[in-house]
Amino acid sequence: DADVTQTPRNRITKTGKRIMLECSQTKGHDRMYWYRQDPGLGLQLIYYSFDVKDINKGEISDGYSVSRQAQAKFSLSLESAIPNQTALYFCATSSLGAGSDEQFFGPGTRLTVL
Amino acid sequence: QQQVKQSPQSLIVQKGGISIINCAYENTAFDYFPWYQQFPGKGPALLIAIRPDVSEKKEGRFTISFNKSAKQFSLHIMDSQPGDSATYFCAASTETSGSRLTFGEGTQLTVNP
Repeated sequence: DADVTQTPRNRITKTGKRIMLECSQTKGHDRMYWYRQDPGLGLQLIYYSFDVKDINKGEISDGYSVSRQAQAKFSLSLESAIPNQTALYFCATSSLGAGSDEQFFGPGTRLTVL
Repeated sequence: QQQVKQSPQSLIVQKGGISIINCAYENTAFDYFPWYQQFPGKGPALLIAIRPDVSEKKEGRFTISFNKSAKQFSLHIMDSQPGDSATYFCAASTETSGSRLTFGEGTQLTVNP
């Protein structure tokens, strides 16, 4: 079973719609991240959370918001989607106490905004 | 502003050859340099990582070379195999950023049979 799951895996929506992408993890990790991947740009950090009460903006947070509902759940919302938010979105987790900075990624959500 | 620059964007290598991907960074506070491997339809996964107290780290066919004075590090894949065909990302982080990673742009590696 996957340790980091993302739903939905694919989503097509229209400009102006509100969209929520969900991430769940069974790894027991305290840290969670949302990235977006665009061809030629690599992975850019949108938001990150080091525990349930800690939410931080990343490099490209404009137009996005997040919610850490529990240690295992971290959701990304697009309040009013626009076409340039069409991208592949990844959730990742890591653990402060693991002795390693390794991040574990989910399978991704492909979002298309028409 | 890309703090970690990666090259080349794409690379084609014959089976058995050596694949070399390079990264350069600007922030001298970076102290952790991982490489992630991503197969189509999957999320990235950690391949190998190095800290600046050593100049080289080898794990099987994969080697990271690190040059602190030049602010550069590279991934070498020896005896490249078709199964190594994937996108590779270098990344970097600082101790004070916790595990926040800054990624390079990615390199799409194709290993021909």
